[in-house]
Formats: sequence, C-alpha cells, structure tokens
Amino acid sequence: DSGVTQTPKHLITATGQRVTLRCSPRSGDLSVYWYQQSLDQGLQFLIQYYNGEERAKGNILERFSAQQFPDLHSELNLSSLELGDSALYFCASSRGDGTEQYFGPGTRLTVT
Amino acid sequence: GDSVTQMEGPVTLSEEAFLTINCTYTATGYPSLFWYVQYPGEGLQLLLKATKADDKGSNKGFEATYRKETTSFHLEKGSVQVSDSAVYFCAVSGNTPLVFGKGTRLSVIA
Repeated sequence: DSGVTQTPKHLITATGQRVTLRCSPRSGDLSVYWYQQSLDQGLQFLIQYYNGEERAKGNILERFSAQQFPDLHSELNLSSLELGDSALYFCASSRGDGTEQYFGPGTRLTVT
Repeated sequence: GDSVTQMEGPVTLSEEAFLTINCTYTATGYPSLFWYVQYPGEGLQLLLKATKADDKGSNKGFEATYRKETTSFHLEKGSVQVSDSAVYFCAVSGNTPLVFGKGTRLSVIA
C-alpha cells in the first residue's frame, strides 16, 4: 500500500459526459501528479500540482482540468468525454518537487 | 526534452534464469533514475532508484547501476521467480517530472 488513495476504482460513463476523479496523497506529500495509461499511448504525464499551484503540464487535453485543494487532495475533471478517453488514470504523490513518486491504485474509466 | 528508451517485450524466462532489461535515457542536468514495477491490476510501485552517477539501486534482488558515460540504467536480477512476472518501467527525472519508458512485460514460467 503506497498510501495514495484514489476514488472511484471503476467508472463507466457515456460519451459527452463529465466525470471527476479524486486523489488523496500520502501524508506529508506536497506534490500530486496525474497520469493516463492506455494500451496504445503507454503512461502519459498529464499535470503536476505542488502545494496547491500548478507546477508542470504534460499532454493534457483542453477538455481536462485539475486542481489541488488546501488539504492537498486533488481532483481531475474530464469533460466532453470521448471513447478514446477510456484508460487507467493514476495519481501519484511525492514529498517535494522531483523526488520519487508513489502511485495510487488507479481509476479505470470506460467511456461507452 | 527528457526521454527513456527501454527494450521492448515481452520477455519470457524460465524460473531461476538471469534477467536484464535495458534502459537508456536522455536528460539535461543531473537526473535521478528509477525503476517501477506494475503487477497485474495494480498501480506502479517504486522498485529502486539511483540519484547520481555510479550509484547502484537495489531491492528484492533487483539491481541497476547509474552509468552516466553510457546514459544507461539497466535492470538485472540473478534468479527470477514466477512472482516477478509484471511490467517494468524505467523512468528519468531531470528538469521535468518523471518521464517513463514504454514498459517491458516480463513473464516467468515455472
């Protein structure tokens, strides 16, 4: 158990809908990262927050957004969902910026 | 930007065989290097790390040495077990958040 929690574990929704994925980092970790894992694209970095501020952006679509709250938990919002958004979404956390990351169990999103 | 190239799988080995998974990287500055493992149906787990040249990371019988001259961080294990079957990811952390390789699937058969 990494100490990073993600909810929900599974999510099934229809095209065009909007969903919110939630992540709670390990106690004491200030950075939260979001990744998308799919069979064709592999593990793609989406975005990083550090102590409430956006720190780095990767291959995140404009339809996706994220935020980190004062209690350091983070949410990833996915809107106008398409079939191609079906993937595993992982959250990771780290103590600081650039240190090793600890991954949550992931949320499996299926868009039908 | 930073990048990682690791050998493509799948790799299939018999129990007690020697394992090598090659990983090379490009990165600016003085990156840290990591190996993560993903067991079926689970998230990624940090397996080992090295933060400077010539460092050797080790855990659960796995080892990798940070070779700056060859920009490599190859993963090795002397005797694999069926329970080592998983996907292994090499990652580099330079001036950007972790950049992962595409992963190498390892299957160990009894």
